Amino acid sequence: DAKTTQPPSMDCAEGRAANLPCNHSTISGNEYVYWYRQIHSQGPQYIIHGLKNNETNEMASLIITEDRKSSTLILPHATLRDTAVYYCIVRPRSYQTGANNLFFGTGTRLTVIP
Amino acid sequence: ETGVTQSPTHLIKTRGQQVTLRCSSQSGHNTVSWYQQALGQGPQFIFQYYREEENGRGNFPPRFSGLQFPNYSSELNVNALELDDSALYLCASSLGQGGRAFFGQGTRLTVV
Repeated sequence: DAKTTQPPSMDCAEGRAANLPCNHSTISGNEYVYWYRQIHSQGPQYIIHGLKNNETNEMASLIITEDRKSSTLILPHATLRDTAVYYCIVRPRSYQTGANNLFFGTGTRLTVIP
Repeated sequence: ETGVTQSPTHLIKTRGQQVTLRCSSQSGHNTVSWYQQALGQGPQFIFQYYREEENGRGNFPPRFSGLQFPNYSSELNVNALELDDSALYLCASSLGQGGRAFFGQGTRLTVV
């Protein structure tokens, strides 16, 4: 069952920041927010995850609101290679970054425009 | 390149037939998960194998079955193929059930 809501598509100019929103108003206390992406003709790729604090890694930043009901994935300088479907997933922390029982939904199709 | 390889890359089968898809996990990974991705949809979890035992299953009928071998490679078997089984089948491997998972590029199955 879907626990997240994402816009079906977004565009972003190359070199600009891409901000992808996700609503997860029913998130529970033991659930983390995970982001994956799937580039055309490839399998999904883990990007980042977080509980309540902002997180940053080499790929992206994750901003989670204080009430944890929504989050934003930020790609600071989008490139053409970032064109992909981005999935926001809420799941218990016990799954960590494993691939057990991931619910992908339909995600946001991000198109980076030259 | 994730180190997870799937074979074959493409396959065409007739309704009612059986099919076996293969997944070679990344070196050192002992956990394999399988997903089905219909056109235009996100991947759906089929099941996971950890140390040769199934330890999680999604909402798929028993005609979807699997195996994991001592070298941790895995097979997905689908019996009595239906047209709706046409999809991209993805496998992912990880070290342990919670380790970071890496996906292969999938097998595109077409049932006619």
